[in-house]
Amino acid sequence: GAGVSQTPSNKVTEKGKYVELRCDPISGHTALYWYRQSLGQGPEFLIYFQGTGAADDSGLPNDRFFAVRPEGSVSTLKIQRTERGDSAVYLCASSTIGGSYEQYFGPGTRLTVT
Amino acid sequence: ELKVEQNPLFLSMQEGKNYTIYCNYSTTSDRLYWYRQDPGKSLESLFVLLSNGAVKQEGRLMASLDTKARLSTLHITAAVHDLSATYFCAGTMNRDDKIIFGKGTRLHILP
Repeated sequence: GAGVSQTPSNKVTEKGKYVELRCDPISGHTALYWYRQSLGQGPEFLIYFQGTGAADDSGLPNDRFFAVRPEGSVSTLKIQRTERGDSAVYLCASSTIGGSYEQYFGPGTRLTVT
Repeated sequence: ELKVEQNPLFLSMQEGKNYTIYCNYSTTSDRLYWYRQDPGKSLESLFVLLSNGAVKQEGRLMASLDTKARLSTLHITAAVHDLSATYFCAGTMNRDDKIIFGKGTRLHILP
């Protein structure tokens, strides 16, 4: 079956611009997570959705970062006034409640801020 | 807050040898994960360990969990070049919660 998909796969933007990153979870998965992975590091948690609501947004680094999941499926991570330090791979994962609680990761979006 | 530490962070080994990657975590973790990541790729789930004494094996990889020692290990038996990758240990404090990752162990297996 289809796994987690993310678009775009690569995004290059100029400092100060606004970007949106999209995540399509596995069909039927109610939980959706965003992580950020810098070069040579492990992924770091950003935000977690249970259905449409953000259950935990404690990992968002500042108020330039925002994420939505209006219909409980697709999610969009939005970054305003991008900075060079935002350059990283943004990973999305989804899981199903009541199962093994495994999180299945998408291929990621590589964001480069110039 | 949960902290996860792996060692070693880099490991170069010969094909055919055995080795172990260690993962220590700082506080009670509901579950322990091992992921593999190839360069430029996403994360592939290898094992999910749920209880003390859990042992899981897949091919040349075997993972174990000791919740009393807050230690998980990933053992590689008779390594082959195809196992070269970065391996991450990770844990969660509660069900459905965020995963906290270690820094990863970059494994390079020499042919």
